[in-house]
Amino acid sequence: ETGVTQSPTHLIKTRGQQVTLRCSSQSGHNTVSWYQQALGQGPQFIFQYYREEENGRGNFPPRFSGLQFPNYSSELNVNALELDDSALYLCASSRGVQRDYGYTFGSGTRLTVV
Amino acid sequence: EDKVVQSPLSLVVHEGDTVTLNCSYEVTNFRSLLWYKQEKKAPTFLFMLTSSGIEKKSGRLSSILDKKELFSILNITATQTGDSAVYLCAVGTQGGSEKLVFGKGTKLTVNP
Repeated sequence: ETGVTQSPTHLIKTRGQQVTLRCSSQSGHNTVSWYQQALGQGPQFIFQYYREEENGRGNFPPRFSGLQFPNYSSELNVNALELDDSALYLCASSRGVQRDYGYTFGSGTRLTVV
Repeated sequence: EDKVVQSPLSLVVHEGDTVTLNCSYEVTNFRSLLWYKQEKKAPTFLFMLTSSGIEKKSGRLSSILDKKELFSILNITATQTGDSAVYLCAVGTQGGSEKLVFGKGTKLTVNP
């Protein structure tokens, strides 16, 4: 049973709308990373949060933004949705930035933009 | 640009067969190489490799890393239908945030 929970599991939005995805990290984990996985592709790093601060960002435009809260849960916000934003969004948590074991992934949110 | 390439992209075998999945990489600031199994949504952790030549084993699965030639293999012996999944290879980078750079994955189908 995974310790990382994401909500919602599925979401359909219209192009141009805004969306917020949520992630509760595993107990004891203070670092959260977000990944986008398009169909048939591997996950791509969006950004990472450590102790409520952004701690690295991948090649994604500014309309992708995030937050981490004091309880280490996190949100991913996407503004001005485009059709290409349709993907599985995965959240992964870990204990510390330089961790020595694999990240724990959530089951993801499947976002469809129409 | 950091790159991870997996081969083959797709593989169909019969139960009992042995399979070898390949992963090559070109990244700056290499820290570790990880293998994940993705059946439906959540990738589940299999192995993390940091040193060359040291095989890691878990049941019928094993993996080894060659840091000189920049590749890793994942072996699965005596495959079962439950091994059917996408196997993802990822390289962890060091320095500041540690992002994972993933390959596209190998889709393994094990037929009875």
